Amino acid sequence: AQSVTQLDSQVPVFEEAPVELRCNYSSSVSVYLFWYVQYPNQGLQLLLKYLSGSTLVKGINGFEAEFNKSQTSFHLRKPSVHISDTAEYFCAVSDRSTDKLIFGTGTRLQVFP
Amino acid sequence: GAVVSQHPSRVICKSGTSVKIECRSLDFQATTMFWYRQFPKKSLMLMATSNEGSKATYEQGVEKDKFLINHASLTLSTLTVTSAHPEDSSFYICSPQRTGITDTQYFGPGTRLTVL
Repeated sequence: AQSVTQLDSQVPVFEEAPVELRCNYSSSVSVYLFWYVQYPNQGLQLLLKYLSGSTLVKGINGFEAEFNKSQTSFHLRKPSVHISDTAEYFCAVSDRSTDKLIFGTGTRLQVFP
Repeated sequence: GAVVSQHPSRVICKSGTSVKIECRSLDFQATTMFWYRQFPKKSLMLMATSNEGSKATYEQGVEKDKFLINHASLTLSTLTVTSAHPEDSSFYICSPQRTGITDTQYFGPGTRLTVL
């Protein structure tokens, strides 16, 4: 079975500051890793995904994440955030054999002017 | 990109009534459909997985007789909440899996159900 831990339920940050949203996972099998963003009352939008290959993955809106197998982490980063980045961010893992997504509890990123 | 629609976006109903939520993949075919439920300020929980033309597989703790899933075509799946009660109030999100592509899921915009 897989599990995902997002330790930070909320991350407040000022505009133009860098941000890192943490994600750790556990799994006994190979997985795919994802970050999704959810704006209020909307569905989920894929930010980026790690399937294989390069451990540094670049996504939309200037976000990137690094897969660290030894630390079982997939932290999301952005060097300079905007007010419009305020949203809920979900880390997820997918069992490659079933394609089921297991989500973390989410991190609320709040960007202040 | 893949376009997924859900209808209705919001619904308010009385306790004891049934509500049907439609999920459509507008520009691709989906052999598999995932239905999720999201409680306020909580993560998404997978409710069930359905394959076109087959019965849905429900996750542990999800009542199959309460949450009826129909996946009759490759572009349409429905979730019917039968005899709804206030505790069924939630945000329901569908996720069709594009046929032949297993490493990416697309999500509908969600349906906010409020049961009075």
